[in-house]
Amino acid sequence: GAGVSQSPRYKVAKRGQDVALRCDPISGHVSLFWYQQALGQGPEFLTYFQNEAQLDKSGLPSDRFFAERPEGSVSTLKIQRTQQEDSAVYLCASSLEAVSYNEQFFGPGTRLTVL
Amino acid sequence: GQNIDQPTEMTATEGAIVQINCTYQTSGFNGLFWYQQHAGEAPTFLSYNVLDGLEEKGRFSSFLSRSKGYSYLLLKELQMKDSASYLCAVSAYSGAGSYQLTFGKGTKLSVIP
Repeated sequence: GAGVSQSPRYKVAKRGQDVALRCDPISGHVSLFWYQQALGQGPEFLTYFQNEAQLDKSGLPSDRFFAERPEGSVSTLKIQRTQQEDSAVYLCASSLEAVSYNEQFFGPGTRLTVL
Repeated sequence: GQNIDQPTEMTATEGAIVQINCTYQTSGFNGLFWYQQHAGEAPTFLSYNVLDGLEEKGRFSSFLSRSKGYSYLLLKELQMKDSASYLCAVSAYSGAGSYQLTFGKGTKLSVIP
């Protein structure tokens, strides 16, 4: 079956522009996570959805970052007024249930470059 | 909070064995994952340990000691395709409805002929 997909794969934005990054999780997966991965670093947690409910947004770095998953499947991460420090790969992951032992399946990521 | 340490880079020879160590300090520990990430690609799941001991899966094995806050990933019969970053990640309940993964910075393994 299909894995997690993300679009676009690459995005170049001018400083101050708004961007929207899309994630299509594996069908039927309850949990959805967004991560930010800087070059040479491990992924860092941004936010978590259980179905359509955003239960944890403690990792969002500022109020310029906003995520939604209105129907409990596709999710969008929006970054307003992008800054150079927002340049990173944004990874989406999904897992079947909201339990500790479920592996997370990652998408290929969106590489965001802010000029 | 969480603190996870693993070596930045390692080099090993094709056909050999390599051990990648990970130490962690965490509250609310609920298991440790290892992921493999090739350059420019998504992390892929390798192993999960929640109890002390060794879990073996083909050429890859993972060990956990909860009392020592220590894990390692053992790769046997190294192949060139094993050149990748290996990410250690600790699972802990966030208190906000999710089991969060906190990742180390990753160990970049280079396999040479």
